[in-house]
Order: sequence, then C-alpha cells, then structure tokens
Amino acid sequence: ETGVTQTPRHLVMGMTNKKSLKCEQHLGHNAMYWYKQSAKKPLELMFVYNFKEQTENNSVPSRFSPECPNSSHLFLHLHTLQPEDSALYLCASSPGVSPTTGELFFGEGSRLTVL
Amino acid sequence: GEDVEQSLFLSVREGDSSVINCTYTDSSSTYLYWYKQEPGAGLQLLTYIFSNMDMKQDQRLTVLLNKKDKHLSLRIADTQTGDSAIYFCAERGTGGFKTIFGAGTRLFVKA
Repeated sequence: ETGVTQTPRHLVMGMTNKKSLKCEQHLGHNAMYWYKQSAKKPLELMFVYNFKEQTENNSVPSRFSPECPNSSHLFLHLHTLQPEDSALYLCASSPGVSPTTGELFFGEGSRLTVL
Repeated sequence: GEDVEQSLFLSVREGDSSVINCTYTDSSSTYLYWYKQEPGAGLQLLTYIFSNMDMKQDQRLTVLLNKKDKHLSLRIADTQTGDSAIYFCAERGTGGFKTIFGAGTRLFVKA
C-alpha cells in the first residue's frame, strides 16, 4: 500500500469509446503526475500538476485530457484512442515543495488495452 | 532533451552480485535514483544519490556515480530470487518536477 490508489486496474476500450482513469493519493502531497509505461521504452512523463495547476504537458496528444480538481485527485480522460495507446498508465505523487529528495510515490497502474 | 539509457535485461545466479548500469545526458541532474518495480506493482524508490556524492551504500545496495561520464550504477550484493524485478534509473534536475526515467532493466535471478 503506497498511499496512491488507481482505478480501474484494467480497462479495455474500443477506439470510439470515452473512458477515464482515476488516481487518488492519501499522502497529503501537492504534486501529481501521469506517466505512460510501454514495454522496452523509457517511462514517459505525460502531465504534472502542482497545487492543482498544470506545470508540464509533455506534448501529449489531445485525445488524453487530464483533470486535477484538488491536490488529492487526478483524472485522465480518454477519447478516440489508438491501439498504440495501449500501455500501463502510472499515477504518482510527491510532496511538491523544495527542498525534498523528489521521491515519487507511485500507484499500481491502470493497464489499458485499446482494440 | 534529457535522456536516460540502461540495458534491458540482466541475468545472475542466486548469491552472486548484480550490477545494473545507466547513463544519462542531463549535466544539471541534482538527484539520481534507482526505483524497483515488482510484477503487477508500481515503482518504488530503492535508493537515491545526490549529485555531489560519488558513492552511497545501504545494506546490500551500493550506488556509484561518475558525474564526469554521466554514469550511474547499482550493485546488489548476494542477489536473492526476491530481487527479481525491473530496476529503473532516473534523474531530476534542480527545480521543477520533471523526473526522467530509463526503460528499466529486468533482473532475472536463477536459483
């Protein structure tokens, strides 16, 4: 139990569907992140939010739409995805205030399959 | 842009030492990390080293940093089957929230 909970753990969707991934952290952190994990590729930073404000958007296609209503919750809204978007989507949080070691606390991930 | 590279696979026998290597490109890296991912789980921080250090030891783990060559290594002494996992190298510069990861090295430990 890392204090970061992701739902659903597994999701299968068609290319025309709309779905959302949810992340909740119980650690009192201020920064939250979405990463994409694909086999044999570097972990890819997608979005960063600090105190609910987006601070990084790593040139992510608009079919991925993040939402951060408060410091404890982060969503990733998905629509008209492509099969190459199939991956493990990892949410993470960090205290977000310097100076810290910058340690990230990860959830277990949401395994997405796009048919 | 920043880049972190590491080999994808390593196989060792139980009881031997494992050495996982990583290179990075960002000369302004402040912290360098090793994260571990067990099957079906997210990543968990294993250890980290600050950029002004060249070595850190923590029980069976030894981290070596060669800042000139931008090379980081993780040595696991007396490797056990429970150490089988994916090990990610990562770096973070000063300020900001951008932690850059490698692709992970999958460690297989043979009994």
